[in-house]
Amino acid sequence: QPVLTQPPSSSASPGESARLTCTLPSDINVNFYTIYWYQQKPGSPPRYLLYHYSDADRGRDSGVPSRFSGSKDASANTGILLISGLRSEDEADYYCMIWPSNVVMFGGGTKLTVL
Amino acid sequence: QVQLVESGGDLVKPGGSLRLSCAASGFTFNDYYMTWVRQAPGKGLEWVSYISSSGSTKYHADSVKGRFTISRDNTKNSLYLQMNSLRAEDTAVYYCARRYFGRLRYFDLWGRGTLVTVSS
Repeated sequence: QPVLTQPPSSSASPGESARLTCTLPSDINVNFYTIYWYQQKPGSPPRYLLYHYSDADRGRDSGVPSRFSGSKDASANTGILLISGLRSEDEADYYCMIWPSNVVMFGGGTKLTVL
Repeated sequence: QVQLVESGGDLVKPGGSLRLSCAASGFTFNDYYMTWVRQAPGKGLEWVSYISSSGSTKYHADSVKGRFTISRDNTKNSLYLQMNSLRAEDTAVYYCARRYFGRLRYFDLWGRGTLVTVSS
């Protein structure tokens, strides 16, 4: 069972926004960790998208459109991936990841469907 | 060309052993931490283990601790995963990946994976 909780699925229409969440367990404070996000399409390895620690410390990988952004909701102990202006090519699985000390934790992934 | 290529995946019986390899090219291999991540069929990503650039530091997930061992040969630009006492739940595509060279801890380069099937 993944330590980080992601909704199994999400859907939105082209042009709309998708808000994908990644909830950390209560003993891991989201404020203290950088959240990394990956995209995976069928038959391909994951692709790193972006990281978010704070509004002052965040960034996207080269080639990742500005439509992709990260944030946090500290009250919910959650990291968020926001994809605006959805396109059909955004349909994929999305995974969050943190790296506390000597272990790496992935979320279970969210399958995003662009209707 | 900057790439990682895994090999060694196979069908193996429960209790058996297998050694995966990952050949790196196009970059200075001994500068980078490396990792293994697996994905069971239709399931999500699961971190397996990582190793420091020199090979002196290694960590494994609890699910494989005592059964799997990560290693590397920097003279051969290669990463390995020795898997013993294999179980059905170890069935997965195994990816090797490179950790970004910098303060951030993400995996910036992935291989295409090699399939390990554990079944009698």
